[in-house]
Amino acid sequence: DGGITQSPKYLFRKEGQNVTLSCEQNLNHDAMYWYRQDPGQGLRLIYYSQIVNDFQKGDIAEGYSVSREKKESFPLTVTSAQKNPTAFYLCASGLMGGNTEAFFGQGTRLTVV
Amino acid sequence: GDSVTQMEGPVTLSEEAFLTINCTYTATGYPSLFWYVQYPGEGLQLLLKATKADDKGSNKGFEATYRKETTSFHLEKGSVQVSDSAVYFCAPSHGNQFYFGTGTSLTVIP
Repeated sequence: DGGITQSPKYLFRKEGQNVTLSCEQNLNHDAMYWYRQDPGQGLRLIYYSQIVNDFQKGDIAEGYSVSREKKESFPLTVTSAQKNPTAFYLCASGLMGGNTEAFFGQGTRLTVV
Repeated sequence: GDSVTQMEGPVTLSEEAFLTINCTYTATGYPSLFWYVQYPGEGLQLLLKATKADDKGSNKGFEATYRKETTSFHLEKGSVQVSDSAVYFCAPSHGNQFYFGTGTSLTVIP
């Protein structure tokens, strides 16, 4: 089955540690996105990528990093520079070249302990 | 830049009540319009979409019509069920960018 997979579903991190969230898709989509969702709030764009080996900052990129070495994969690293990392993180993918819908993973809930 | 304004929640309705969630947008171009639904602890799922003016998207009893003259895409359902309890997001899309509203939480009580 085609889809987009995020792992893990729950993640705990100690303060001062970097942590990497995985996002894999087998939909052959060129575009991939990372969003952050806080309780009662909408989605805020962290980073997006439209092609392998290229990515752009979104609205809240500070304290985060990404890579896009393969079309299928777009991992997000939450660094120790991110001051308030506890949130629900959503990865999405979509086709290029048109106003088409985004397909979302199930999300990763990150908690700093 | 593009933006979207969505009706604030939370909204609480009794089962079989009529639902409207308002959504208006601003866009420099000609966006496609989407409604997504999010159930607790999950990612977003596409509910319906419309790609051009006067198109009506529909799915699972929900409907929304692309109104270019009023730049609106209001979500409606004639008779809600308890299983419709979720958060609903309006999202114009333009140039491979999505502009999500803040979401409207809906709770349907029996």
